[in-house]
Amino acid sequence: EVQLVQSGAEVKKPGESLKISCQASGYIFSNYYIAWVRQMPGKGLEWMGIFYPADSDTIYSPSFEGQVTISADKSINTAYLQWSSLKATDSAMYYCARRRRVAAAGPFYFDYWGQGTLVTVSS
Amino acid sequence: AIQMTQSPSSLSASVGDRVTITCRASQVIRNDLGWYQQKPGKAPKLLIYAASSLQSGVPSRFSGSRSGTDFTLTISSLQPEDFAIYYCLQDYDYPLTFGQGTKVEI
Repeated sequence: EVQLVQSGAEVKKPGESLKISCQASGYIFSNYYIAWVRQMPGKGLEWMGIFYPADSDTIYSPSFEGQVTISADKSINTAYLQWSSLKATDSAMYYCARRRRVAAAGPFYFDYWGQGTLVTVSS
Repeated sequence: AIQMTQSPSSLSASVGDRVTITCRASQVIRNDLGWYQQKPGKAPKLLIYAASSLQSGVPSRFSGSRSGTDFTLTISSLQPEDFAIYYCLQDYDYPLTFGQGTKVEI
């Protein structure tokens, strides 16, 4: 059974660093992209970026490039989203999702999602 | 970036109603579009991929279609458990972009 299990809620102060995780199980981790999605309180979904564990290919949304770092540790089937200096505006729910495609050149889609990690940044 | 214009932003419907939600892409995206359902406090769930393919385990009352750059999610007979927010997502080009969401209310 495919599962993505995210780390627990975090409460941080502005300026602090943070790394949240998404541990995958039930499939070959290297073979699928992991995506990160932000949802600010009461708002819609925003795509932040993706990471391909097989070759560490990383693509960021322009809205998030330079603001976060996406990475993974293949040895423990875990993807990460990290901030070096949090702002209050980073307070949100963050989801990881597995991205797969229908066939070799077919459309991609996000078929499994983590349960979300709530990040609260407040002084 | 490709803009996904989703409409309506919200709708009121009754159990048994037929519901239609639309996403219009700002350019051609082939069939590279999925529909997701999100209930309060929960992660999104995939309903439809490749514009019209039903994800395994999703009830057949959900369907998707495409006409050019217009994509439609249809719920043929709304059930109580379908009250949620629905999003489209284009995965044709970076940055990937979601529609603004449609809240389906009683």
